[in-house]
Amino acid sequence: AQSVTQPDIHITVSEGASLELRCNYSYGATPYLFWYVQSPGQGLQLLLKYFSGDTLVQGIKGFEAEFKRSQSSFNLRKPSVHWSDAAEYFCAVEEAAGNKLTFGGGTRVLVKP
Amino acid sequence: DAGVTQSPTHLIKTRGQHVTLRCSPISGHKSVSWYQQVLGQGPQFIFQYYEKEERGRGNFPDRFSARQFPNYSSELNVNALLLGDSALYLCASSLLGASGANVLTFGAGSRLTVL
Repeated sequence: AQSVTQPDIHITVSEGASLELRCNYSYGATPYLFWYVQSPGQGLQLLLKYFSGDTLVQGIKGFEAEFKRSQSSFNLRKPSVHWSDAAEYFCAVEEAAGNKLTFGGGTRVLVKP
Repeated sequence: DAGVTQSPTHLIKTRGQHVTLRCSPISGHKSVSWYQQVLGQGPQFIFQYYEKEERGRGNFPDRFSARQFPNYSSELNVNALLLGDSALYLCASSLLGASGANVLTFGAGSRLTVL
């Protein structure tokens, strides 16, 4: 069964600093990969997705993610964090032609002024 | 354009009761999925429906059931509620693309508290 691991439960970053969130997955083939963000009391908003092709994908709000097949990773990055980026971030995978997303446990990001 | 709408937004039930949660997908989306998100965890897949047929079911007991209506809206039903059913229930709709990629748009969720 596929699984997703987000090793960091909490990350605190200063406003203006860079951010990197880690995601590792376990799956036999190349899955579809997603990053979602959840603000308090809200649903999930899609930041970006990877299906195939260029391994560096750009998303909304200045986020990007890089797929590394050899490391089974799909890490999320942002060069300069804004206070509004404080939220919980979820990495998810979907098997090709599958019908469900498997989510990691999430990483909560706190932004210091 | 309206997004995915869910109702109710919050509800409180007692153990043993029944609950029905409702979801209206984005216009034109024919697939609806349900996820359970327990506090402090990532969402867990419960069901997917497409064109009114169940396309997938997660590892949940038979107390959980769902259906999709001709207008593609959906209901999630949970019987004999347990304390552990307390969670945020998320509905998502999607267009199933030719690649099979299932890009989900989530609603804000229904927060269920079981006392």
